[in-house]
Amino acid sequence: EAQVTQNPRYLITVTGKKLTVTCSQNMNHEYMSWYRQDPGLGLRQIYYSMNVEVTDKGDVPEGYKVSRKEKRNFPLILESPSPNQTSLYFCASSARGTGLEAFFGQGTRLTVV
Amino acid sequence: AQSVAQPEDQVNVAEGNPLTVKCTYSVSGNPYLFWYVQYPNRGLQFLLKYITGDNLVKGSYGFEAEFNKSQTSFHLKKPSALVSDSALYFCAVSDYKLSFGAGTTVTVRA
Repeated sequence: EAQVTQNPRYLITVTGKKLTVTCSQNMNHEYMSWYRQDPGLGLRQIYYSMNVEVTDKGDVPEGYKVSRKEKRNFPLILESPSPNQTSLYFCASSARGTGLEAFFGQGTRLTVV
Repeated sequence: AQSVAQPEDQVNVAEGNPLTVKCTYSVSGNPYLFWYVQYPNRGLQFLLKYITGDNLVKGSYGFEAEFNKSQTSFHLKKPSALVSDSALYFCAVSDYKLSFGAGTTVTVRA
């Protein structure tokens, strides 16, 4: 089954404690991205990757890092989480090219206290 | 810069009535437009897209969308809504990346 898998689904952490949210896709997609969803703001892109070892900032990259060492994996790293990073996070992947729909993971609800 | 606007935060309809969720867009060049739906505690699911061609696009679960270039709109429609259509709907435009609207919560009452 084609899917994007995120882990964990839920996470509560404390300010400043480094964390990683993993994302893996099994569709051999070149393009992967991370979004955060906040009420009234829709989804905002954090980082994206066009292919292995190619990453770039989205609209709200501050406080986040990513890496793309393998085509299937695109982890999101919060080096020093802060309460304003409390949000619902989605990973997505799509094949190369415009006009192609994205496939989304089920989301990670992060709470930073 | 590309953007989409969903002017209604909420849409409430009775089951069996027509459902419309509005979206307007701004993009330079040809627009690639999408609708996604998010059910509670789930990720986003693709509903339909407009790339080129017929202005009326048909998608999943009986939904369709009408592309109107002169009004820069891409409204989502369903002729007869179901209670199970209650969800959060997002319009999106794609140039080299997807840009989402703020979302519209649809509630269909029995």
